[in-house]
Amino acid sequence: GQNIDQPTEMTATEGAIVQINCTYQTSGFNGLFWYQQHAGEAPTFLSYNVLDGLEEKGRFSSFLSRSKGYSYLLLKELQMKDSASYLCVYDSGYALNFGKGTSLLVTP
Amino acid sequence: EAQVTQNPRYLITVTGKKLTVTCSQNMNHEYMSWYRQDPGLGLRQIYYSMNVEVTDKGDVPEGYKVSRKEKRNFPLILESPSPNQTSLYFCASSLGTEFTDTQYFGPGTRLTVL
Repeated sequence: GQNIDQPTEMTATEGAIVQINCTYQTSGFNGLFWYQQHAGEAPTFLSYNVLDGLEEKGRFSSFLSRSKGYSYLLLKELQMKDSASYLCVYDSGYALNFGKGTSLLVTP
Repeated sequence: EAQVTQNPRYLITVTGKKLTVTCSQNMNHEYMSWYRQDPGLGLRQIYYSMNVEVTDKGDVPEGYKVSRKEKRNFPLILESPSPNQTSLYFCASSLGTEFTDTQYFGPGTRLTVL
């Protein structure tokens, strides 16, 4: 699989904004997913970027720069229920490659 | 309700005792796959299937078998489980065979091999 780097853990305050970064190797690129996974539960789809730029979907936005091999997930107006692991998933066209996930803790 | 189901949800077994984890989807999806998730390693693909009777190895296929006799079912078989197969397993399906299609995950099966 392709190397995918994202921070292991992040902490943010309820109501704040947090940005979770992801970098990946740029050989053979089809698109980039973000999934949310609560502890012990299945991952659920958040976003998919195939072109450069920002995709906004409610409180969540995802950005992609293909030339830089870089993406971020932006979470606004954080809520306690946003405490979860966020998985950056690179689609190489041959396989889906999952990052190890960023564990986000939202504190009161 | 559109969903992916897995059974059992929890299983404790002993080394060498054959087991099967079932996976079923009711969305008429063509693509199905199995992943295992381990602390510090993330999700890794075991096997996938593009359609009925078509299966391929993922990143970590050793010690596992699968079959796809019907479109809706994709069981994972451990012929002789070993302790290093203790993990959280997820089945997933998607509408088409393009990886761009959103994956829908089952609830997970937590397997412990003693």
